[in-house]
Amino acid sequence: EVQLVESGGGLAQPGGSLRVSCAGSGFTFSSYSMKWVRQAPGKGLEWVSYISSSSSTINYADSVKGRFTISRDNAKNSLYLQMNSLRAEDTAVYYCARGEGDVWGQGTTVTVSS
Amino acid sequence: EIVLTQSPDFQSVTPKQKVTITCRASQSIGSSLHWYQQKPDQSPKLLIKYASQSISGVPSRFSGSGSGTDFTLTINSLEAEDAATYYCHQSSSFPFTFGPGTKVDIK
Repeated sequence: EVQLVESGGGLAQPGGSLRVSCAGSGFTFSSYSMKWVRQAPGKGLEWVSYISSSSSTINYADSVKGRFTISRDNAKNSLYLQMNSLRAEDTAVYYCARGEGDVWGQGTTVTVSS
Repeated sequence: EIVLTQSPDFQSVTPKQKVTITCRASQSIGSSLHWYQQKPDQSPKLLIKYASQSISGVPSRFSGSGSGTDFTLTINSLEAEDAATYYCHQSSSFPFTFGPGTKVDIK
């Protein structure tokens, strides 16, 4: 079964850090670009970051640029999002998605609060 | 940044009715426009990719059209299970962006 499973969400303090992960299975992970998308409570979808299959192309939304870092380990079929200098407005469900979004994870919740 | 606008924001529809949702881009994006359906407490689901390409497993009542700046998602003969929020998403240029969503409610 083709699957993406996120983990690592939780509570962080403003200014703090958190790393969320996404594990892929049932497909050739290294052949696909990946992206992170978030959804704040009661709000719409917001694209966060993109990484190509070989990590040669990486891009970020302006709202997270300089604070978040996307990476992947194709040997471990895993995608990561390192989130630093967290703000209250980063509170959201974070989803990983494959390629154009034909496969999504179930999401992991990040809450930034003191 | 390419801004996507959707209309309407909300639509209340009776079963078997036809639904049309439009997505307009602030500049030309070719056909790099995708449509997603999201139901409450669920992850988004891809309905249409690259403006008009169908997705395996998605009912044939969902179709997409358009290119450049104007795009349309059509749901023919709406079913009760289609109650959801629908989003368009462009992958033509960075930063990628989503539309604000269109909520479809069943009367």
